[in-house]
Amino acid sequence: GQNIDQPTEMTATEGAIVQINCTYQTSGFNGLFWYQQHAGEAPTFLSYNVLDGLEEKGRFSSFLSRSKGYSYLLLKELQMKDSASYLCAVNNGGSQGNLIFGKGTKLSVKP
Amino acid sequence: DSGVTQTPKHLITATGQRVTLRCSPRSGDLSVYWYQQSLDQGLQFLIQYYNGEERAKGNILERFSAQQFPDLHSELNLSSLELGDSALYFCASSPRLGVYEQYFGPGTRLTVT
Repeated sequence: GQNIDQPTEMTATEGAIVQINCTYQTSGFNGLFWYQQHAGEAPTFLSYNVLDGLEEKGRFSSFLSRSKGYSYLLLKELQMKDSASYLCAVNNGGSQGNLIFGKGTKLSVKP
Repeated sequence: DSGVTQTPKHLITATGQRVTLRCSPRSGDLSVYWYQQSLDQGLQFLIQYYNGEERAKGNILERFSAQQFPDLHSELNLSSLELGDSALYFCASSPRLGVYEQYFGPGTRLTVT
């Protein structure tokens, strides 16, 4: 079957660094996405990894290890507006592009 | 603003009824995806259309159907509604087939009473 696991909730302090982990077991693999979703709003794209290694984009970085079925999203210099759910999603090898999403990690940033 | 539009924003209906949700993709995007998001299940892929043709199916119930029209807008039809169908329904679009960033619309919140 297809399985994507993320912690349900995390709490961090403003200005700090937080790492959100994602492990996946899918029938195939053709890339991993991270999306941010504020409560009641649409998910918005953060990052995409298809090869092993670290992708950096401003305060956000994402890492992938295909052999371990593992990814993490690193958020630096946390701001209150980073309080949101972070969704890990995998394309399981289909050419159509559809994604399998994890249930998301709800991050609360405290002053 | 992702450029994807969805109507209506909210919908309240009774069990047994039928509703239609509408989505217009970003200008130039040919691929449309429908997702259901409920509190306990997270985002679940339902169905994908590309340039008018169905290309992939996920966990879509037989009571649900969709289509994509020549102007590329898409509609998701939900019939014989049950309480458990209450959820946020998102539409997303991407430019072509393949693994690309998907742009999500604001969603339609469906409440079945």
